[in-house]
Amino acid sequence: EADIYQTPRYLVIGTGKKITLECSQTMGHDKMYWYQQDPGMELHLIHYSYGVNSTEKGDLSSESTVSRIRTEHFPLTLESARPSHTSQYLCASSVAGGSYEQYFGPGTRLTVT
Amino acid sequence: AQSVTQLGSHVSVSEGALVLLRCNYSSSVPPYLFWYVQYPNQGLQLLLKYTTGATLVKGINGFEAEFKKSETSFHLTKPSAHMSDAAEYFCAVRNNQAGTALIFGKGTTLSVSS
Repeated sequence: EADIYQTPRYLVIGTGKKITLECSQTMGHDKMYWYQQDPGMELHLIHYSYGVNSTEKGDLSSESTVSRIRTEHFPLTLESARPSHTSQYLCASSVAGGSYEQYFGPGTRLTVT
Repeated sequence: AQSVTQLGSHVSVSEGALVLLRCNYSSSVPPYLFWYVQYPNQGLQLLLKYTTGATLVKGINGFEAEFKKSETSFHLTKPSAHMSDAAEYFCAVRNNQAGTALIFGKGTTLSVSS
């Protein structure tokens, strides 16, 4: 079944640790996105990719990095986690062209202590 | 700059009552507009979208929305609320500056009482 997967779903980690949030999709989509979501706030775009070896920073300044080595895989890495990184991170994908709707994974809720 | 404003962070209705969630947008080009729903501990699910053509669009679960260019609005409605409609709803517009990314409103939490 075509879907978007995010792991882990929940993560509690200490300050200074390096973490990678995984996102994979079996939708066959070229475009992928990472959003940050805080309660009562709009989703903020932090990274996006048009395809393999393409990555761009979004509207929200972020200390994270991403890579796109395979079409289906778009991991997000924090080299040194801080309490300010505590948030929910949502991965999404969309087809190239078309009507631009995005399909979302279930999210990773990150808590940095 | 593009933006999305959702009026009312929290809307409460009784089961069977009309649901109206308001969304206004700003866009310098013809907009592509979306409504998403998010249930607790889940990602966002597309309810409906407007691209071009008919201004009244129908989505899943009995929801519909009407694009009104003169009012720069895209309000979401459902004639009769069901308990299962309780969730958070996000309005979004295509981001013309960042490829095909979306700009989201802050969301409206819908509560449904029996």
